[in-house]
Amino acid sequence: AQRVTQPEKLLSVFKGAPVELKCNYSYSGSPELFWYVQYSRQRLQLLLRHISRESIKGFTADLNKGETSFHLKKPFAQEEDSAMYYCALSGQGGATNKLIFGTGTLLAVQP
Amino acid sequence: KAGVTQTPRYLIKTRGQQVTLSCSPISGHRSVSWYQQTPGQGLQFLFEYFSETQRNKGNFPGRFSGRQFSNSRSEMNVSTLELGDSALYLCASRLRAVATYEQYFGPGTRLTVT
Repeated sequence: AQRVTQPEKLLSVFKGAPVELKCNYSYSGSPELFWYVQYSRQRLQLLLRHISRESIKGFTADLNKGETSFHLKKPFAQEEDSAMYYCALSGQGGATNKLIFGTGTLLAVQP
Repeated sequence: KAGVTQTPRYLIKTRGQQVTLSCSPISGHRSVSWYQQTPGQGLQFLFEYFSETQRNKGNFPGRFSGRQFSNSRSEMNVSTLELGDSALYLCASRLRAVATYEQYFGPGTRLTVT
């Protein structure tokens, strides 16, 4: 079964501390993984995707196929990073183009 | 370019009624997907349309249906509303119906069923 698991509903850190938002997935095949972010009163938006292997707003995420994980990391959290973060998975091609989301992790960065 | 728009933004309906939500994708985008967002379940995929054809469907009862018009605008309909249908309904559009293309989300329609 296709599934995305985000074990933490809430992650609270202090400004300047490292952040790691966990994401594990279950998928038989080669999935595409994404991180979406939703800031307060804003639309859900793409933060990054594994195929681009880029850093966005200081965040990076590495796909670990052995551990079926796609954790989101940032070395130094900023208050403006406070938001809801969703990990999502999509298959490649055909009928598996739908995005399957995790339940989300609320990141709260304290001053 | 204008972003994805959804109308109405808020709706209050009574159990047993039906409702129609509308989504206008970004100009040129031909794929529209619908999601239901609730605090307990998070974001759940409803269905996706591309060039007026439903390409994919999530695990929702038949009371949930949708369609897409030739201008790529999409509607979703929920019949015989239940209290559990209260949620934020999001639509997203993308240029092509391929996972590598970024989905752009609308602001959502907040449906409250009483």
